[in-house]
Amino acid sequence: DAKTTQPTSMDCAEGRAANLPCNHSTISGNEYVYWYRQIHSQGPQYIIHGLKNNETNEMASLIITEDRKSSTLILPHATLRDTAVYYCIVRVPGGTSYGKLTFGQGTILTVHP
Amino acid sequence: NAGVTQTPKFRILKIGQSMTLQCTQDMNHNYMYWYRQDPGMGLKLIYYSVGAGITDKGEVPNGYNVSRSTTEDFPLRLELAAPSQTSVYFCASSYPTGGKETQYFGPGTRLLVL
Repeated sequence: DAKTTQPTSMDCAEGRAANLPCNHSTISGNEYVYWYRQIHSQGPQYIIHGLKNNETNEMASLIITEDRKSSTLILPHATLRDTAVYYCIVRVPGGTSYGKLTFGQGTILTVHP
Repeated sequence: NAGVTQTPKFRILKIGQSMTLQCTQDMNHNYMYWYRQDPGMGLKLIYYSVGAGITDKGEVPNGYNVSRSTTEDFPLRLELAAPSQTSVYFCASSYPTGGKETQYFGPGTRLLVL
């Protein structure tokens, strides 16, 4: 699985967009980008995933660069409840490592009033 | 659906004691996982299972054992508790299809070994 690099922490004002970057310069062609988050003391929660195209769901948008070496998770209107650690994970679905997620340090996002 | 449930929520063990952390999911997922999370750190995979009767080691399996006799249950056994096993333990399940491997996590079990 490709290694990812995320900033240690970020701040965002409530109601503004939160843009969380992730570098995955060694990503291979069949690896997907997944984002999870972990709100304090809770289990991680799936947010979104993508391969090449930009993706959007009810929680967030995922922008993947054309060379796929980096991506950005966008929370369009951050709320205080979005304060959490955000994990970017890159891996191949399937094969002998099917389903195994490798969590790094993640980005601590703090949304303030 | 209750999703993934874990018991107990919190436990204090003495060094050398044994215990079983329970995990149950009602989503008929074939894959199940156990992770541990030390303070300020990311999650590390302990064991995983791809179906009833099949288990395999993750990156930190030493000191733990698992079994998977049913699709729903995936208990984690600590035989001789050590202070290094003080952590928060998360169980998760998934049903991988195509490119999507959403894992659903339980609320966690906080374990303190003294």
